[in-house]
Amino acid sequence: GENVEQHPSTLSVQEGDSAVIKCTYSDSASNYFPWYKQELGKGPQLIIDIRSNVGEKKDQRIAVTLNKTAKHFSLHITETQPEDSAVYFCAARWYSSASKIIFGSGTRLSIRP
Amino acid sequence: KAGVTQTPRYLIKTRGQQVTLSCSPISGHRSVSWYQQTPGQGLQFLFEYFSETQRNKGNFPGRFSGRQFSNSRSEMNVSTLELGDSALYLCASSRGAGPSYNEQFFGPGTRLTVL
Repeated sequence: GENVEQHPSTLSVQEGDSAVIKCTYSDSASNYFPWYKQELGKGPQLIIDIRSNVGEKKDQRIAVTLNKTAKHFSLHITETQPEDSAVYFCAARWYSSASKIIFGSGTRLSIRP
Repeated sequence: KAGVTQTPRYLIKTRGQQVTLSCSPISGHRSVSWYQQTPGQGLQFLFEYFSETQRNKGNFPGRFSGRQFSNSRSEMNVSTLELGDSALYLCASSRGAGPSYNEQFFGPGTRLTVL
């Protein structure tokens, strides 16, 4: 069935360093890949997304890359700051008569001062 | 512009009871989706509504149901509550349905505890 695998489950990086989170998806029909950030006590917040016709997208310190052939996509956060500490979720969505979105299991990112 | 609002924020029920959760989407958004979030299963899709019609449903038992009103507000109902229904229930809205309206905006969730 449809599946999105996310790694690592936890990640600790020094403030100022970069963080990378990776996801793979199973259905080649997937065409939309969002990333969400969830802080304690809040709902997930969309931070960046990419569509299947694009290989890379960047927004300030955040970038997402997509490799359709390998069916994987990654989130890159550069110059990490304490406020980047949160749980990050990747997701994959494909549109058919029955639209679905599948989430990865999440990565808890901690930024060490 | 106000975000997605969910009420109540916290709820405690006992096994066998039923519960109704409410979601008000962002103004102008016509699609509402519901998700269940638990530590063990993560974020799982429950159902999606657009123009008062259920467009898709996840793999949950029939005890989970929902509806959408003409003003796009949505409710979900869980009947005959079980301990395993304890979770954060999240609502997300988007402008429409279909590939042009992928972006979803989540509410803060309703924390349901079943005793």
